[in-house]
Amino acid sequence: EDQVTQSPEALRLQEGESSSLNCSYTVSGLRGLFWYRQDPGKGPEFLFTLYSAGEEKEKERLKATLTKKESFLHITAPKPEDSATYLCAVLGASNTGKLIFGQGTTLQVKP
Amino acid sequence: EAQVTQNPRYLITVTGKKLTVTCSQNMNHEYMSWYRQDPGLGLRQIYYSMNVEVTDKGDVPEGYKVSRKEKRNFPLILESPSPNQTSLYFCASRSGLAGSEQYFGPGTRLTVT
Repeated sequence: EDQVTQSPEALRLQEGESSSLNCSYTVSGLRGLFWYRQDPGKGPEFLFTLYSAGEEKEKERLKATLTKKESFLHITAPKPEDSATYLCAVLGASNTGKLIFGQGTTLQVKP
Repeated sequence: EAQVTQNPRYLITVTGKKLTVTCSQNMNHEYMSWYRQDPGLGLRQIYYSMNVEVTDKGDVPEGYKVSRKEKRNFPLILESPSPNQTSLYFCASRSGLAGSEQYFGPGTRLTVT
């Protein structure tokens, strides 16, 4: 069964304190791993898609990496506006096309 | 601007009163789906559609209906809402089954009393 586990559930950082969020997954035939940012009460906002082990993508202070078993979202020198819940999802070979989401990591960055 | 829109954004209703939440996308996407998000349970798929007139159940379809008569629209229908359907609902769309990015609407917060 396809599964996604994110850790930690919650993370508190001081502004400028870099860290990483983890997304461990098991999936039959990975077609894509996705990172989203979600602010309270709002729709998830697409950040990155990764397709194969070794791939990396960057956007401002965020960098996503992928191995065969997990993905990391590295946050470099975070700012308070980076505070949000970060969701990881995988798309496998299922013919339903369903994304499997993790529970998310809630990040709080204090000034 | 490429987007997924939902209406209404907020809705308070009573048990048993039929309601429809509309969803529309302007990206010509084939694949659309509905999710509900509840604290501690994450995002759960209610229904999905691979194209016009092709819909199927997701993980939590009980109490919901959908239709896909046009490519851009995918309404969610609650024939007889109950309090356990109080939730935050999201519509999403993407281009096909392959690994393209999925875009979400802004959400509809539904309260059933």
